[in-house]
Amino acid sequence: GQQVMQIPQYQHVQEGEDFTTYCNSSTTLSNIQWYKQRPGGHPVFLIQLVKSGEVKKQKRLTFQFGEAKKNSSLHITATQTTDVGTYFCAGLRQGAQKLVFGQGTRLTINP
Amino acid sequence: KAGVTQTPRYLIKTRGQQVTLSCSPISGHRSVSWYQQTPGQGLQFLFEYFSETQRNKGNFPGRFSGRQFSNSRSEMNVSTLELGDSALYLCASSLETGLVGAGYGYTFGSGTRLTVV
Repeated sequence: GQQVMQIPQYQHVQEGEDFTTYCNSSTTLSNIQWYKQRPGGHPVFLIQLVKSGEVKKQKRLTFQFGEAKKNSSLHITATQTTDVGTYFCAGLRQGAQKLVFGQGTRLTINP
Repeated sequence: KAGVTQTPRYLIKTRGQQVTLSCSPISGHRSVSWYQQTPGQGLQFLFEYFSETQRNKGNFPGRFSGRQFSNSRSEMNVSTLELGDSALYLCASSLETGLVGAGYGYTFGSGTRLTVV
């Protein structure tokens, strides 16, 4: 079945450092979504990428979708303590209605 | 507008019992998906309902079942509870999971934390 692998599983950075999490799918995706889950909270939708090679920015967050539509990345520039949480990617295989989540990357920040 | 409402928020059950969890999606959303979240396993897909029909099912045993009502509210049931069923159960609603290009992500509820003792 479709698998979505996300790395790293954990990342600890100093406040102000950059952070990147990567997502790889075993199959071509029609779109990929990113979610953030704060500690003790529930996942919150951040963005959806649809086009091959697409790049979207939300303030300090940059999202990329690979040319082959099998991988994606989320990059945070100059992390802040408010960025703490677990970031999940979720891929939708073409023709499917099931969103498959990656294992998530848990980001912790040293202030 | 109101978000996704899951009840109850917390639940403690004994092994062998059964439990029913409820999810009320955002008004107008017809797709409801259920996920199990545990610290070591991330978000595991249980099933998805759309207009009262189960469209997709994850790799969970038959003890896990669900249904969706005509008002899109959904319930999931777990029978013969096991210790390993202890988890956060999340419900997510969307207009249509497969809708591409319109930016429709999932809206998650706060979850039901189930503890089996």
